[in-house]
Amino acid sequence: DIQMTQSPSSVSAAVGDRVTITCRASQDISSWLAWYQQKPGKAPKLLIYDASSLESGVPSRFSGSGSETDFTLTISSLQPEDFATYYCQQAHSFPWTFGQGTKVDIK
Amino acid sequence: QVQLQESGPGLVKASQTLSLTCSVSGGSVSSGDYYWSWVRQRPGKGLEWIGYIYNSGSTYYNPSLKSRPTISGDTSKNQFSLRLSSVTAADTAVYYCARGARDRSGYTWYFDLWGRGTLVTVSS
Repeated sequence: DIQMTQSPSSVSAAVGDRVTITCRASQDISSWLAWYQQKPGKAPKLLIYDASSLESGVPSRFSGSGSETDFTLTISSLQPEDFATYYCQQAHSFPWTFGQGTKVDIK
Repeated sequence: QVQLQESGPGLVKASQTLSLTCSVSGGSVSSGDYYWSWVRQRPGKGLEWIGYIYNSGSTYYNPSLKSRPTISGDTSKNQFSLRLSSVTAADTAVYYCARGARDRSGYTWYFDLWGRGTLVTVSS
């Protein structure tokens, strides 16, 4: 299985901050990567797919980049509703696998 | 607007079979465009993909679950179901049903729609 490793595990930030989360794949996955946001008690929500494509309805302050093994999710200006846990997921090889998550909380 | 809703017992005894159903509204589970999936999340842990059913019959299961899951579809009820046999405490989790939709390239697919999830506790 392809292992997905996120860093950091948690980050404290203030409203308006720029936040960057990194995801590393254990092997080349081209650009077949998604990012999800999960709030407590809620289902995950797709934010980014194919590493950099913004899902419909997702605010443009979210962006993704990267390819092969190294990927980044950036929130350009953190908003109160963005405090959540973020997961990356590879869609290159079965079984699909997720990172362990990065929790973004209030500084 | 397509919505997914999980249902099933919230408590299952160890060694028995967990059974959950996902009801799909606003869309058709028999559509060949989507991969109807189950994903679980153990308490305080990350996400684990269990498997999918595609085009009302083709299935795939995560090998980590060692032949225990079975996913089936019921087009007459517009539902798909998960059965997980020989459960243990390690199977205690929130179980989500999710829709997998192909990206623009058509090469792969992602989970673009999720149910709210249902907690299943395995008791001894």
